[in-house]
Amino acid sequence: SQQGEEDPQALSIQEGENATMNCSYKTSINNLQWYRQNSGRGLVHLILIRSNEREKHSGRLRVTLDTSKKSSSLLITASRAADTASYFCATGPNTGTASKLTFGTGTRLQVTL
Amino acid sequence: DAGVIQSPRHEVTEMGQEVTLRCKPISGHDYLFWYRQTMMRGLELLIYFNNNVPIDDSGMPEDRFSAKMPNASFSTLKIQPSEPRDSAVYFCASTSVSGGYGELFFGEGSRLTVL
Repeated sequence: SQQGEEDPQALSIQEGENATMNCSYKTSINNLQWYRQNSGRGLVHLILIRSNEREKHSGRLRVTLDTSKKSSSLLITASRAADTASYFCATGPNTGTASKLTFGTGTRLQVTL
Repeated sequence: DAGVIQSPRHEVTEMGQEVTLRCKPISGHDYLFWYRQTMMRGLELLIYFNNNVPIDDSGMPEDRFSAKMPNASFSTLKIQPSEPRDSAVYFCASTSVSGGYGELFFGEGSRLTVL
């Protein structure tokens, strides 16, 4: 089963607006990552946040992590048409085989002009 | 670097045929992952290797699926015999640190259609 569940499943906004996507997970994690997937392409890593971090920034991206609520959010500010893609969170486990990343169900973001 | 290279990009085959998907990871990466993506099940980890050795194949759906990594620069995922429910996009990814700590680099995927 999926470790992460993204919310909403789909999001449509206009260029210039901010987009917020949420991810919830079930078990303890070592880190949480966000990836982008353009239609028909492979996934591209965006940002990683470790379990002892609460917020991280990268360009127009801001990620927050609340381990007590087992949730994370990805904020894209001043969105552009080129941000249209699916966004996935992925979690790295706290114990056992640390190499296994489990991906969520994804949020489809549509940015219109 | 050319990135992770997968072939073929598209494969259409008939039920019962053997399918072989290929992956060349990024040079120097010592972890290689095979994922499958479908609308119904999302992204599923099938198997991953560390230094060419299979570490966890618990995601491989059935004995019809097998994966090998004969050397650091090449891996195959084989389905024999193929079935329509195997239709999906298969991704290969690699990384140079434990995948739970670092970023995965994905190939463009192999879209498989089994008729």
